[in-house]
Amino acid sequence: EPEVTQTPSHQVTQMGQEVILRCVPISNHLYFYWYRQILGQKVEFLVSFYNNEISEKSEIFDDQFSVERPDGSNFTLKIRSTKLEDSAMYFCASRGGRGTGELFFGEGSRLTVL
Amino acid sequence: TQLLEQSPQFLSIQEGENLTVYCNSSSVFSSLQWYRQEPGEGPVLLVTVVTGGEVKKLKRLTFQFGDARKDSSLHITAAQPGDTGLYLCAGEARTTDSWGKFQFGAGTQVVVTP
Repeated sequence: EPEVTQTPSHQVTQMGQEVILRCVPISNHLYFYWYRQILGQKVEFLVSFYNNEISEKSEIFDDQFSVERPDGSNFTLKIRSTKLEDSAMYFCASRGGRGTGELFFGEGSRLTVL
Repeated sequence: TQLLEQSPQFLSIQEGENLTVYCNSSSVFSSLQWYRQEPGEGPVLLVTVVTGGEVKKLKRLTFQFGDARKDSSLHITAAQPGDTGLYLCAGEARTTDSWGKFQFGAGTQVVVTP
């Protein structure tokens, strides 16, 4: 069964370092998303991406964050200078099309900023 | 921002009992999805509801979307220990410029003891 895959599963980094989280969405999907979940808190929307550009972003997704689909298969989230409060599970998700409601999530990448 | 309120926050029941989890909002949603999340993993989609008044059944799980598409419920019949998990609802308010921005509730933690 097709699935969204994410790497790494866990990354530990020092405050101020750059981090890139990678995702391979389901192959025929067109809409891609990043969400995050701070431990014990709700899943929060970060950004949506369609047709090689950002469709929508939340207040969390500030200038320190960027997304890219460099090669037609990977979808990456970059945090330029990590802060302690960026520690969270980051989930990538993809969706087939506008009329298709189902959002499929990856297993997540746990980011720990020290 | 559409807020989704889930209740109760925590539910502990014995195997064989029934339970209902609620998801309420003041906003109208184009679609609403229910997920189950295990610790350290991504949310796993259970069902998508899109039509007001819609009822969907998935084995012992029954999902209902309110007539006004502002609320939903998940009912589990004869709960089993394998039903233990965090149940999340997520609503999408679809507009011309916004697709796939699902807002999540905080979740209901269900524990089913043998």
